[in-house]
Amino acid sequence: GAVVSQHPSWVICKSGTSVKIECRSLDFQATTMFWYRQFPKQSLMLMATSNEGSKATYEQGVEKDKFLINHASLTLSTLTVTSAHPEDSSFYICSARGSIISGANVLTFGAGSRLTVL
Amino acid sequence: AQSVTQPDIHITVSEGASLELRCNYSYGATPYLFWYVQSPGQGLQLLLKYFSGDTLVQGIKGFEAEFKRSQSSFNLRKPSVHWSDAAEYFCAVADSGGYQKVTFGTGTKLQVIP
Repeated sequence: GAVVSQHPSWVICKSGTSVKIECRSLDFQATTMFWYRQFPKQSLMLMATSNEGSKATYEQGVEKDKFLINHASLTLSTLTVTSAHPEDSSFYICSARGSIISGANVLTFGAGSRLTVL
Repeated sequence: AQSVTQPDIHITVSEGASLELRCNYSYGATPYLFWYVQSPGQGLQLLLKYFSGDTLVQGIKGFEAEFKRSQSSFNLRKPSVHWSDAAEYFCAVADSGGYQKVTFGTGTKLQVIP
């Protein structure tokens, strides 16, 4: 079945630094990837949608310059949290969807990446 | 805009007892509905989904859900809960594309007592 891998699964960084989180589709080509953020004891909030080769579409209230999303290939999307601050500490989860033709038109979630900013 | 309501924030059941987690949705067209489970510190695992057809959907781990259009509900059920079922459960609805924007409910935390 479709598998999505996220790396790192846990990252701790100092305030002011940038952190990159990778989301890879291991056995299918992901035409669309989604990035979600989950605050403690809360639900998942969609941050942005990215289609391979085009700019990401951000949800209202999400800072584009803060959360840089790149979807340069059909198997990789990256989320970079720039100049991270403690309030950016959260659980970030990606999901990926393949094309109907490829038979991978199933939304598959990664295991998530927990970011802690000191 | 689509939305999902999970009225129960926290549910406690005894091991072996039956379980029903409630989910109500709001969507203008035919909804695509999902139930996901999340163990502490983990990602999401799809339990089951409904797109069309039989309104009673079977999923993994012995779970099932029933789509009731008249009640705008998609409740999750399990006849006999196991201790390993303790987790957070999220109901979700996707827009007409089926795999486009997914909106999640606030989740229901399930506690299983011996």
